[in-house]
Amino acid sequence: GQQLNQSPQSMFIQEGEDVSMNCTSSSIFNTWLWYKQDPGEGPVLLIALYKAGELTSNGRLTAQFGITRKDSFLNISASIPSDVGIYFCNGGNFGNEKLTFGTGTRLTIIP
Amino acid sequence: DGGITQSPKYLFRKEGQNVTLSCEQNLNHDAMYWYRQDPGQGLRLIYYSQIVNDFQKGDIAEGYSVSREKKESFPLTVTSAQKNPTAFYLCASSAPAGATETQYFGPGTRLLVL
Repeated sequence: GQQLNQSPQSMFIQEGEDVSMNCTSSSIFNTWLWYKQDPGEGPVLLIALYKAGELTSNGRLTAQFGITRKDSFLNISASIPSDVGIYFCNGGNFGNEKLTFGTGTRLTIIP
Repeated sequence: DGGITQSPKYLFRKEGQNVTLSCEQNLNHDAMYWYRQDPGQGLRLIYYSQIVNDFQKGDIAEGYSVSREKKESFPLTVTSAQKNPTAFYLCASSAPAGATETQYFGPGTRLLVL
């Protein structure tokens, strides 16, 4: 499948800080999805993006479909303890191929 | 309640034994998937099925087998040929194949080889 580079691999932040993470691909995509996985559970969809330049929010989360169509960004504002978990990007050319998951960004909040 | 269930939550296997992980969904989804998760490696696709009685290999199918005899069920067998089976296994499903790529995940099964 496609290779996705997701960074950073892990983040250690204090409560209240903003968070940014991104995913890049070697080819053009038409779909980017972002999921969150709580410890010991299955991932849950946060935001879906289908158009270059699209900016979509879900509460304190905002995701963007990069203009080049080769990247996507997820931002979390004013982090809270329940934001802890692993965030996965999921991208590809929906309709032509299976989407691929990134390697994940593990978010930890330091007391 | 509509959802996707996996059982058991934890599974122990002796070396050389086959073991089957259960995945059931009542969401009326056509497509179902199996992923393996290891620390630091994200989600790797083992097998997927777009429709009953049909399935395709994913990126890491060796040592695994599946069946899709019913729309609601997609069991995964980890065979003795899988040399490193200890991992967290996630099952997912998605609404009519082609309509959306949003996947709904089960709670996972953690397999430990003794």
